[in-house]
Amino acid sequence: QSALTQPASVSGSPGQSITISCTGTSSDIGDYNYVSWYQQHPGTAPKLVIYEISNRPPGISNRFSGSKSGNTASLTISGLQTEDEADYYCSSYRSSVTVIFGTGTKVTVL
Amino acid sequence: QLQLQESGPGLVKPSETLSLTCTVSGGSISSRTYYWGWIRQPPGKGLEWIGIVFYNGVTFYNPSLKSRLTISVDTSKNQFSLNLNSVTAADTAVYYCARDPGHYGGRAWYFDLWGRGTLVTVSS
Repeated sequence: QSALTQPASVSGSPGQSITISCTGTSSDIGDYNYVSWYQQHPGTAPKLVIYEISNRPPGISNRFSGSKSGNTASLTISGLQTEDEADYYCSSYRSSVTVIFGTGTKVTVL
Repeated sequence: QLQLQESGPGLVKPSETLSLTCTVSGGSISSRTYYWGWIRQPPGKGLEWIGIVFYNGVTFYNPSLKSRLTISVDTSKNQFSLNLNSVTAADTAVYYCARDPGHYGGRAWYFDLWGRGTLVTVSS
């Protein structure tokens, strides 16, 4: 199963905005709204930050926002903070009843 | 506050069966809303969805693992389990259990609550 494609790394200065892309196909992102994003700090479990393309779970800062266009989903972090430095993974439902994750993006706060 | 905790052997020999259990505390696994799942992450690599189970035993598996995989639920113990047979070094990973919160009676296809994870190494 091929993973969704994310950039290996994205960086930004505190206070800036960054966007992470997640490219799939018409069998996953392009055809379903089940796109979610996870934040993972080293040595810890992933944490849900966005679900169903653009919804934030309780307790997640409104600095995190999500969107989708065609076969590509995006996560934007505005007002970048040092605690945002982590790995980020997208995921999507894929036809044939499975979930596929992205390759992961390391966010560095300069 | 609902919590999940993985447990099981940290070392499994090649060709044997990897068995893990996830204990749910602070809530009932018999909820008609939630699904319960497994995800793994090889050291230094990305996440892989393994599968999910409903309280009544209905399962959805990753097609690439389906032939070796069994996920089951024990409502009397408030636990669900993962069995992966014929393991190789490629199955070495941190294994997480997690909750799919459900969506209008079906699956949500994301996980909103995770266990801490447990490292399983396949080696002789």
